[in-house]
Amino acid sequence: AQKVTQAQTEISVVEKEDVTLDCVYETRDTTYYLFWYKQPPSGELVFLIRRNSFDEQNEISGRYSWNFQKSTSSFNFTITASQVVDSAVYFCALTPNAGNNRKLIWGLGTSLAVNP
Amino acid sequence: DAMVIQNPRYQVTQFGKPVTLSCSQTLNHNVMYWYQQKSSQAPKLLFHYYDKDFNNEADTPDNFQSRRPNTSFCFLDIRSPGLGDAAMYLCATSRQGRTNEKLFFGSGTQLSVL
Repeated sequence: AQKVTQAQTEISVVEKEDVTLDCVYETRDTTYYLFWYKQPPSGELVFLIRRNSFDEQNEISGRYSWNFQKSTSSFNFTITASQVVDSAVYFCALTPNAGNNRKLIWGLGTSLAVNP
Repeated sequence: DAMVIQNPRYQVTQFGKPVTLSCSQTLNHNVMYWYQQKSSQAPKLLFHYYDKDFNNEADTPDNFQSRRPNTSFCFLDIRSPGLGDAAMYLCATSRQGRTNEKLFFGSGTQLSVL
């Protein structure tokens, strides 16, 4: 079975705090891709990062960083020094590499509120 | 510049009255998707087009139809909207529909059914 679990439904932090959003996935495929998308209040989902299953390097992009650990099937997302503009719903998603499967398997999302 | 454009941003329709939502893209991508997203839920794929090839999800109700007259435009038709169809409808594109490609989303159309 393919599944993505984001256990944190809602998180509230104060500006400048660091915050980590958890993502745990299940798949039997050896090749797969993991994604994070951001959905601000405006509604448009915005791609943040893609990681393939053979690349376990952590990635940093400005205040954003991602920790991919195959041993625990996790792909966690950390925002350093959070800002009010980071307030959004964040979705983790998985696609198995099964031919032309174009269907993303989504987590339920984590709603992050960054308060001034 | 907006690359995936959805109109209108908000749509109100009456129970049972057909409604059409539109999506256009300037990316020249081959694949266009329609997602339904209800409050506090993940997006749910309804169907997608790979070029002119229509692919329906098994659990998409027959009430939902789609048209893609050309590469740039795609429409979502709801033939007889019910109260349960009130949701955000998101259009997305990808270049070739490969599993490793990112999706580009529009801002969505929030549909209300009265």
